[in-house]
Amino acid sequence: QKEVEQDPGPLSVPEGAIVSLNCTYSNSAFQYFMWYRQYSRKGPELLMYTYSSGNKEDGRFTAQVDKSSKYISLFIRDSQPSDSATYLCAPSFRGFQKLVFGTGTRLLVSP
Amino acid sequence: GAVVSQHPSWVICKSGTSVKIECRSLDFQATTMFWYRQFPKQSLMLMATSNEGSKATYEQGVEKDKFLINHASLTLSTLTVTSAHPEDSSFYICSAPGTPDNSPLHFGNGTRLTVT
Repeated sequence: QKEVEQDPGPLSVPEGAIVSLNCTYSNSAFQYFMWYRQYSRKGPELLMYTYSSGNKEDGRFTAQVDKSSKYISLFIRDSQPSDSATYLCAPSFRGFQKLVFGTGTRLLVSP
Repeated sequence: GAVVSQHPSWVICKSGTSVKIECRSLDFQATTMFWYRQFPKQSLMLMATSNEGSKATYEQGVEKDKFLINHASLTLSTLTVTSAHPEDSSFYICSAPGTPDNSPLHFGNGTRLTVT
């Protein structure tokens, strides 16, 4: 079993839709949960992160962590074509380093 | 914001040759840098942790004699793929934590290596 699992997609939605991206993990010792966005042929960029369980909102993005079920979600409201990218969840045991990446979910938002 | 620059962005080399990839922190100092490898449709896998002024720390299964890492200054780390083979073709990405310590990682834009 992989430590972090994501559906690779692609997930295709129309502009304006609410997008739900999900990730499951196996190691209960993970404490930090990052979401990165990666455009084609570019390095990942940090979108947002949460520590332990709970929700965090930043503009159109909401990250949600449920440690009891080892389930991580990223919600995107009012999705835009510019949101088309691969979204990687990346938990870690301690802090922001030594991340364990999922394979990423490719999102396509059509105008 | 903190910027990590990686060079080259794309390189093709012949089997058996060596290739050097540079990773620079442009507006901050990085005592630690991380090198990742990403195969198509797979996750980023940490290869090694580069430490300024000391030896790199390699992840299990990564050949340290094949992937030479040098972190000679606080703003530059290099990864040299020695005696490259077609199976080394991949996307190599470096990253560095911002400041203060334990800040989120900043990633370079990656180097696509193709070995023919």
